[in-house]
Order: sequence, then C-alpha cells, then structure tokens
Amino acid sequence: AQSVTQPDIHITVSEGASLELRCNYSYGATPYLFWYVQSPGQGLQLLLKYFSGDTLVQGIKGFEAEFKRSQSSFNLRKPSVHWSDAAEYFCAVGGNTGGFKTIFGAGTRLFVKA
Amino acid sequence: KAGVTQTPRYLIKTRGQQVTLSCSPISGHRSVSWYQQTPGQGLQFLFEYFSETQRNKGNFPGRFSGRQFSNSRSEMNVSTLELGDSALYLCASSSVVNTEAFFGQGTRLTVV
Repeated sequence: AQSVTQPDIHITVSEGASLELRCNYSYGATPYLFWYVQSPGQGLQLLLKYFSGDTLVQGIKGFEAEFKRSQSSFNLRKPSVHWSDAAEYFCAVGGNTGGFKTIFGAGTRLFVKA
Repeated sequence: KAGVTQTPRYLIKTRGQQVTLSCSPISGHRSVSWYQQTPGQGLQFLFEYFSETQRNKGNFPGRFSGRQFSNSRSEMNVSTLELGDSALYLCASSSVVNTEAFFGQGTRLTVV
C-alpha cells in the first residue's frame, strides 16, 4: 500500500540554524516525490519535486531534498532557516497508477525561534 | 496565469444539510483532485477527475461525490452533513498525469 511517514509532528529550530525534515515512503512502483508547504489558513505550495535523475533536488526558498531509494527516504533540508519558514510541511508521493493520486504524510509543523 | 480558485472560501452549514463546493482549475489543466484536511486525519484524498471522468477515489462514504464539467471546472458535493465533515477542503489541478498539483486556498466548511 502507498503511504508516507513523517516521523516528526513538530520541530523547533533557531533562526539561522540548519533544518532537516524527515520523510519515508512506501510505494510499489517508481515514486514521484514532493514536498509542499502550508501557511496557516492557506493552500499548499510546492517546494520541490523528484521524478527521476539527480537524487539531490533543489527547490524554492532555498530548500533541497535528497532521494535515497535504499532507505525509501526523501528528506527536506535547508542550511539556514528564516523566521518566515515557520509553517507546516508535507511530504507526498504519487505515481503512474492509472490516474493522478497523491498521498500525503501527516505533516511536520516547523517552529522558528529568534 | 490565474491559480486554482475555490469558492466559497468559508461556509457554515447545519447537520443534515447538503453542500456544494466549486473549483476552477488553472487554465489548460484537465486533472482536478479533491482533498479533505482535518487536524486529526491530515490530508486525505477524496477523488480525482480527468476529462469529466472520475479516475481515482479515496476511502470516503458515498455522501461525498463530485463531478467535472467540460471546461474542467469541478464541483464536490457532500450530502447529509455530519459534524465530522467540518474541514478544509482543498482542490488541486495538474496539467499532465503525475506532475505536481497546484492547490487552491481551500473552502473552510463548518458543520454545526
């Protein structure tokens, strides 16, 4: 069955510190992987995506993620967090299953302290 | 290029009523998906439409239904509303199967 696990419900980091949000997935075929960010009361914005090729993917707002097939992981990283990065982050997996269906993780709430 | 538009943004309904939510995808996008977001269950997939056909469906009761029109606009209907249906309903559109979904700002439904 397709699933996405984000083991950290919430994370607190200091402004300027580095960030890593964890994501593990279970998918029967070649996955398409995404990270989205959601600010309070808003929809989801795509940060980055992985379909194939280079396993290190660059996204918007200085984020990057690394696909590790052997670990079924797609962790999100940022070298220096800004206060405006405080939001909820969702990892998601999709694929060619005869239709468009994206499965989301439960999300990780990021708090940034001054 | 206009984004995904969902109307209305906020809605209050009474238990037992029915509700219809609307989603206008990005121009040229033919796939429209619906999600329910609640604090307890997170983001759950409802269904996906492509060229007026439902291609995928999540694990929701038959009270939740949808449709897509020839211009790709989509509506979602929930009948016999329950308190547990209170949620943020998000619509997403995409241009090609399995590319990223572009989300609207959602409709906040409150059932009282």
